[in-house]
Amino acid sequence: DGGITQSPKYLFRKEGQNVTLSCEQNLNHDAMYWYRQDPGQGLRLIYYSQIVNDFQKGDIAEGYSVSREKKESFPLTVTSAQKNPTAFYLCASSDQLRVQPQHFGDGTRLSIL
Amino acid sequence: ELKVEQNPLFLSMQEGKNYTIYCNYSTTSDRLYWYRQDPGKSLESLFVLLSNGAVKQEGRLMASLDTKARLSTLHITAAVHDLSATYFCAVARIQGAQKLVFGQGTRLTINP
Repeated sequence: DGGITQSPKYLFRKEGQNVTLSCEQNLNHDAMYWYRQDPGQGLRLIYYSQIVNDFQKGDIAEGYSVSREKKESFPLTVTSAQKNPTAFYLCASSDQLRVQPQHFGDGTRLSIL
Repeated sequence: ELKVEQNPLFLSMQEGKNYTIYCNYSTTSDRLYWYRQDPGKSLESLFVLLSNGAVKQEGRLMASLDTKARLSTLHITAAVHDLSATYFCAVARIQGAQKLVFGQGTRLTINP
C-alpha cells in the first residue's frame, strides 16, 4: 500500500544536539512538506519541496534544515539553534496537480531531555 | 497575509444533535480542505472544496464553501460518538505550491 512513513515515532533531544527526522513516501508525489504542531494548535509549515534538489522555507524555518536528494525522501534536521523543539512533527506529500489533498504521515513526537 | 480562524475551538455535543463548525479566512483562495485528526494521530483528509457554492457530503458530515464571504462550514448531522476528533480547515495560498494555512482546530467531543 502507498503511504508516508515517518520515523522514529518518538525522539528525545539533548541540549546542543542536532536530530534528524525521517520521512519516506512511495506515492510517487513530487511535493513534500514538513509541519510542526504544538498542543491545541493548528499545523505550521516549516519547509516544503516541489521537486528533487529544491526546497523552500515555510513560515517557521529558523532552527531547521532539510534536504531533498531523492524524490521519495525528505528528512528534517532539528538543529541546536531551535530553542523550543518540543512538538509533534508531521510530514506530508502531494502531487503537482495542487487540488488533491496532502497525505500525511503518522508523525514524530520530539521532546527535550 | 492569509489568516484562518475556526470557531468554536471546543465543542461538546450529545449524540443525535446537529452542529456546525465555521472556518473564516482573510484573503482570496481557490482551495479549502477539511481534515480530521484523532488524538496523537495523523491527519485524514475529509473534503476538498474548490469553487464558490461547492458542497460535499460524506455520511453525517457536510462541508460547504462561500468564497465571497470567505467562509466554509462543516455541518454534523445526528452526531455519533465515532465522530469525536479534532477537525481542521486549511486554506491554500494562491501563489506557488500547495502551501496551506491551517485553522487552530475544533476539538469535538460527542457524548452518549
